[in-house]
Amino acid sequence: RKEVEQDPGPFNVPEGATVAFNCTYSNSASQSFFWYRQDCRKEPKLLMSVYSSGNEDGRFTAQLNRASQYISLLIRDSKLSDSATYLCAVNSNSGYALNFGKGTSLLVTP
Amino acid sequence: EPEVTQTPSHQVTQMGQEVILRCVPISNHLYFYWYRQILGQKVEFLVSFYNNEISEKSEIFDDQFSVERPDGSNFTLKIRSTKLEDSAMYFCASRVRVPTEAFFGQGTRLTVV
Repeated sequence: RKEVEQDPGPFNVPEGATVAFNCTYSNSASQSFFWYRQDCRKEPKLLMSVYSSGNEDGRFTAQLNRASQYISLLIRDSKLSDSATYLCAVNSNSGYALNFGKGTSLLVTP
Repeated sequence: EPEVTQTPSHQVTQMGQEVILRCVPISNHLYFYWYRQILGQKVEFLVSFYNNEISEKSEIFDDQFSVERPDGSNFTLKIRSTKLEDSAMYFCASRVRVPTEAFFGQGTRLTVV
């Protein structure tokens, strides 16, 4: 099983829609989790950290399910500018490395 | 807002040549990283560096790679003898501490011909 797995998509949604992505991880000892956004040929940009109790930042909500070893990202009221690849990142066993999934591609259409 | 900066933004090199990619991490950060992303593939961890030594490295980070923090601000990745398959985007990242979030530079696109 790969360390961090994501459905590559693409997810094509109309503006205003709600869309959710999941990411599964293999290391049950992982302690920290993040969602990043990556635009084409650009660097990953931090979207949000994922806390055990779940957290929300405007239209974005992140959840962690330790029992099933997955994290999720919910985007409400999608905007055209949300079109990007969303990367899940999970800390390694040692705690030093951040391991990324392949990303989920989102295209928001008018 | 503090940011990680990388130079050059694009480097073209001949196979077999040595390249050095440079990064200036965020000033109060203590953990430094190099990642690479081959076109169309995922962001892959290469190496982490803390307290002037490598703290973790991946299988990709073999003897042709090395990292250095030559002074208080720069962090470099050296590829000794480049191969065609080294062509990729190389990202530097830094964290204030583990396991907090990492911040990435804008990347260096390396093209080996």
